[in-house]
Amino acid sequence: QVKLLQSGAELVKPGASVKLSCKASGFTFSTSYMSWLKQVPGPSIEWIGWIYAGDGGTNYNQRFKGKATLTVDKSSSTAYMDLSSLTSEDAAVYFCARLTGSHFDYWGQGVMVTVSS
Amino acid sequence: NIVLTQSPATLSVTPGESVSLSCRASQSISTSIHWYQQKSNESPRLLIKYASQSISGIPSRFSGSGSGTDFTLSINRVESEDFSIYYCQQSYSSLFTFGSGTKLEIK
Repeated sequence: QVKLLQSGAELVKPGASVKLSCKASGFTFSTSYMSWLKQVPGPSIEWIGWIYAGDGGTNYNQRFKGKATLTVDKSSSTAYMDLSSLTSEDAAVYFCARLTGSHFDYWGQGVMVTVSS
Repeated sequence: NIVLTQSPATLSVTPGESVSLSCRASQSISTSIHWYQQKSNESPRLLIKYASQSISGIPSRFSGSGSGTDFTLSINRVESEDFSIYYCQQSYSSLFTFGSGTKLEIK
């Protein structure tokens, strides 16, 4: 069955960067679109962007350009998201999800990122 | 950006009641709306795609309707496992956006 397994919780200092991972299984990763989403307590969900695993092509929410960088490693069926120059506003739960057509049909379990000195 | 407004913010119901949750778009989006359920401390789960299309494995008591700007998620005879938060998401624009959610709670 389809599974998206995300890396564990992160505690990072302000100004630092963090790289989150999302390992996929149970489907053909190399022809899939993978997305990342942000959820802050509130609750609200924001779409960050997607990456096409086939060729690494990306599309970002303008709000996250310069903040998030999406990459994939087809050999390990893993999607990554780098978040840079972290501030308290980046503290959230981040999900990876498979984007099929225009909806998110499978989600990872989420990873909490805490920004604190 | 296309703004999705969900109402009510909180809905208190008794198990066995049938409910309708609303999602209104700031502009016409055809049927490019999808619904998710998120239980506490879990990731969202896709319930309905393209306004009314069912998803494999989702109970038949969940249904969706609407087009243009007004959309509804209906739950026929709410069960205890249905108490959670429901979100709508639009894909008419390449900038995907979500509503702020409706919390379904036990009365």
